[in-house]
Amino acid sequence: DAKTTQPPSMDCAEGRAANLPCNHSTISGNEYVYWYRQIHSQGPQYIIHGLKNNETNEMASLIITEDRKSSTLILPHATLRDTAVYYCIVRGLGSSNYKLTFGKGTLLTVNP
Amino acid sequence: DAGVTQSPTHLIKTRGQQVTLRCSPKSGHDTVSWYQQALGQGPQFIFQYYEEEERQRGNFPDRFSGHQFPNYSSELNVNALLLGDSALYLCASSQHTEAFFGQGTRLTVV
Repeated sequence: DAKTTQPPSMDCAEGRAANLPCNHSTISGNEYVYWYRQIHSQGPQYIIHGLKNNETNEMASLIITEDRKSSTLILPHATLRDTAVYYCIVRGLGSSNYKLTFGKGTLLTVNP
Repeated sequence: DAGVTQSPTHLIKTRGQQVTLRCSPKSGHDTVSWYQQALGQGPQFIFQYYEEEERQRGNFPDRFSGHQFPNYSSELNVNALLLGDSALYLCASSQHTEAFFGQGTRLTVV
């Protein structure tokens, strides 16, 4: 699986949009970008995933650049409960790519 | 609809002992993966079970073993516990794409 690079920490004001970047310059054509988050002492929570088109669901939006070498997770109106570690993961769906490879993620702190 | 459930939530064991952790997958999911998360680190993949067989394994010693039952639930067994095995053990279930995680079992080895 391709390696990802994320900033170790970010701050965001409550009610503002939080934009979390991720670099995955070695991503291959059949690899998806997944985002998970982990609130302290809880299990990781699935947020969203995409291949090359932008995706949106009730939690967030995922913007993937045209060359697929980077992406941005957008939380449109951050709340205090969005404070968590956010993990960007690249994963293929082929027969040898069942695991999720977590890095250290980005600690997002939402401030009042 | 119950999500992924793990038991127990917390456990304290002595070095050298053996431990069994349990996981019930989300309804409709047939694949179970186990992860180990040390303090301050991201989760590390241990192995994945599908159709009662270990399908892929991470870089963990043979002291770590598992099992999947016909109802898709799973167990993680760790033998000869070391102090370094102290961690949060996470179970994730899936059906084709995204994985859903349980709340984990916090194992402390003393």
